[in-house]
Amino acid sequence: DIQMTQTTSSLSASLGDRVTISCSASQGISNYLNWYQQKPDGTVKLLIYYTSSLHSGVPSRFSGSGSGTDYSLTISNLEPEDIATYYCQQYSKLPYTFGGGTKLEIK
Amino acid sequence: DVQLQESGPGLVKPSQSLSLTCSVTGYSITSGYYWNWIRQFPGNKLEWMGYISYDGSNNYNPSLKNRISITRDTSKNQFFLKLNSVTTEDTATYYCAREGVFFAYWGQGTLVTVSA
Repeated sequence: DIQMTQTTSSLSASLGDRVTISCSASQGISNYLNWYQQKPDGTVKLLIYYTSSLHSGVPSRFSGSGSGTDYSLTISNLEPEDIATYYCQQYSKLPYTFGGGTKLEIK
Repeated sequence: DVQLQESGPGLVKPSQSLSLTCSVTGYSITSGYYWNWIRQFPGNKLEWMGYISYDGSNNYNPSLKNRISITRDTSKNQFFLKLNSVTTEDTATYYCAREGVFFAYWGQGTLVTVSA
């Protein structure tokens, strides 16, 4: 299985900050990488697909980048509703696998 | 709008089978896409379990070996998860989700506890 690692398990930032969340794969995944947001009530939403494509309805302050084994999600101008846990997920090979999550908190 | 809703027992005894239903509205499960089960363990690790496709074919996570079965009832627009021989390690929140290389639609999740 491809292992997905999010080395930062929690992150604290101020409103208006620019935040970057990282994710690395145990082997190259050819940009087949998605990002999800999970709110404290358990609701899960797709943010970014295929590394950098913004899902419909997702604010433009979210962006994604990366290649090979290293990927990142950037939130510019942090807003209160961005408090959540963020997960990366690869779909290069089955079984699909997820990173361990990065919990974003407000300072 | 597409909506998915999980339902089923919240408590299952060890060695028994876990059975959950995902009810889908707003899209026919035979029209396209892959219909998945994903679980989240205490501590928040997410695990993809498997899917049933629009044409009825399956793909399962090998980690679940021969314990898992995903089936469907097209007349009710529902699909089902059955996990056999459960242990306390199967305690998790179970989500159903629609996928077409990304999981665009998720249910709200249902907590299943395995305990005697």
